[in-house]
Amino acid sequence: EAGVAQSPRYKIIEKRQSVAFWCNPISGHATLYWYQQILGQGPKLLIQFQNNGVVDDSQLPKDRFSAERLKGVDSTLKIQPAKLEDSAVYLCASSLPRLAGGLSYNEQFFGPGTRLTVL
Amino acid sequence: SQQGEEDPQALSIQEGENATMNCSYKTSINNLQWYRQNSGRGLVHLILIRSNEREKHSGRLRVTLDTSKKSSSLLITASRAADTASYFCATGNSGYSTLTFGKGTMLLVSP
Repeated sequence: EAGVAQSPRYKIIEKRQSVAFWCNPISGHATLYWYQQILGQGPKLLIQFQNNGVVDDSQLPKDRFSAERLKGVDSTLKIQPAKLEDSAVYLCASSLPRLAGGLSYNEQFFGPGTRLTVL
Repeated sequence: SQQGEEDPQALSIQEGENATMNCSYKTSINNLQWYRQNSGRGLVHLILIRSNEREKHSGRLRVTLDTSKKSSSLLITASRAADTASYFCATGNSGYSTLTFGKGTMLLVSP
């Protein structure tokens, strides 16, 4: 089974430039997540999609970040314009909730991430 | 904000020793998960424990959950150099909710 694919793996840009990241989740996974991981910290959720609808984007800086998931499969995350503090690894994950004991659980499968450096 | 807090922040042991990492959280959950992250890579799911479970095993991993203390521990037995990584706990309160990750424990296993 193919894993979550992300591109590019690395990106270096100057502040105020724009950048876009792409994610292809595991086939059949309805839920897709974008996380931001700053060095030395755990992943922080930016946005969660269920199919092509947004479930949670409460921590997405909407003045500069945007994301879409066309047709409920691939997703892109865009930053425009970038700031120095956006330097981080951007992780995409997908999941297919499963049921057990009457409750649902979502183990998430992560891609390799895109390391963004803003100069 | 991050719900889970791992302890210790860093742990250094020799191959063959056991490694124990702890996680504390603040709000009610329906499951807690542990993930591993090797340097420069994405996270890999290790184990999930449900709120009505107290202990779970997977290979050399043993996870405990104490919902009364809002804490969990991850034990890696007979550690290997390949176990060197960062370990994160993540809490969830439903299958469709987000997972909230802690800051992680960096484990170094020396040959």
